[in-house]
Amino acid sequence: AQTVTQSQPEMSVQEAETVTLSCTYDTSESDYYLFWYKQPPSRQMILVIRQEAYKQQNATENRFSVNFQKAAKSFSLKISDSQLGDAAMYFCAYRRYGGGSEKLVFGKGTKLTVNP
Amino acid sequence: EAGVAQSPRYKIIEKRQSVAFWCNPISGHATLYWYQQILGQGPKLLIQFQNNGVVDDSQLPKDRFSAERLKGVDSTLKIQPAKLEDSAVYLCASTATDTQYFGPGTRLTVL
Repeated sequence: AQTVTQSQPEMSVQEAETVTLSCTYDTSESDYYLFWYKQPPSRQMILVIRQEAYKQQNATENRFSVNFQKAAKSFSLKISDSQLGDAAMYFCAYRRYGGGSEKLVFGKGTKLTVNP
Repeated sequence: EAGVAQSPRYKIIEKRQSVAFWCNPISGHATLYWYQQILGQGPKLLIQFQNNGVVDDSQLPKDRFSAERLKGVDSTLKIQPAKLEDSAVYLCASTATDTQYFGPGTRLTVL
């Protein structure tokens, strides 16, 4: 079974600084998707960024970028120019590619605090 | 485009009572999921529907939990009878492609 591990229960960053959240996963499959979701205190889970495993290029979305290391099964999220609104729980998630069960397997999350 | 809608947002019940949650997915999304998120943990899949058929309910405690998706649109998740350990946030998500979109969730407290 696939597993996702987020080893940092909590992280903090100063406003305008850069922070990196870590995620590792375990799978025997070669094709899959990886996601980072943000969950503010209001609880709405919001997609931050996604990465297809077959793509070598790291995904970027404005201030958010990932460092995808397929061989190491590592998928970290970098947030640049951190803003107060980035404070939230961040979940790393894995999804199999293709048919069958398409459930997301989540890590336990990292709570990010942004200090003014 | 309207997002995934859920109601109620909060529910407090006593153990052994029944409770039901409702979800309306994004229009056109054939796949709908119910996740349970216990405090301090990531969401865990309870059940997945493709249109109105069940794809995966392997993690659903079927002795007390039930779910249905009538006409392949709205879905209802029911717990009967509730236990203390059912206290959690219940998230509904839907997808038409590879990315799941989540509703705001229902926070259930069982006393």
